[in-house]
Amino acid sequence: GAVVSQHPSRVICKSGTSVKIECRSLDFQATTMFWYRQFPKQSLMLMATSNEGSKATYEQGVEKDKFLINHASLTLSTLTVTSAHPEDSSFYICSADGPGAGNTIYFGEGSWLTVV
Amino acid sequence: AQSVSQHNHHVILSEAASLELGCNYSYGGTVNLFWYVQYPGQHLQLLLKYFSGDPLVKGIKGFEAEFIKSKFSFNLRKPSVQWSDTAEYFCAVKNNQGGKLIFGQGTELSVKP
Repeated sequence: GAVVSQHPSRVICKSGTSVKIECRSLDFQATTMFWYRQFPKQSLMLMATSNEGSKATYEQGVEKDKFLINHASLTLSTLTVTSAHPEDSSFYICSADGPGAGNTIYFGEGSWLTVV
Repeated sequence: AQSVSQHNHHVILSEAASLELGCNYSYGGTVNLFWYVQYPGQHLQLLLKYFSGDPLVKGIKGFEAEFIKSKFSFNLRKPSVQWSDTAEYFCAVKNNQGGKLIFGQGTELSVKP
């Protein structure tokens, strides 16, 4: 299947700072990328959908100024958590869809964010 | 609004027991259906998917799922589970409008050796 890679897999940052998470589709063009958040023992919560070259569409209740999403190319999307607080600590997962993905959405490995 | 419901939060089975995990969705239009598995400490992996055709879908590792349109269900089955099947299982639905993948709450499967 298609490969989606996230980086970093784990990151610790201080409260008040910003942290960027990258999501790359390695072998297909990701026209659409999705960002999810997963709390321990819970399901994935869709945060936003981004289409290459356009602004992301955020789900209700997700602060777009806090979770900045950029999808500037067909292989890369970034999520920047701005002015991070401890409650932002979570597992963030990206997924990608597009030509060559066989109408299946593939997921990255996820990124653990800990804000101290 | 589209939603996905998984009936079982935590299922505990002994090895060789049969498995069925329930999944129901609410959406009146055409959908694509998926089951993903998340092993401890690992990322989501696709088990199987249904787009059209034969409603009985076979996936990897001996899993299968049956799409019953009249019941809006897509239950996951395996005739004989193994200890290595211990994981979290997620049902997901993607509609043809917007293409968002919506997940159920997940079912934790624990298989006792």
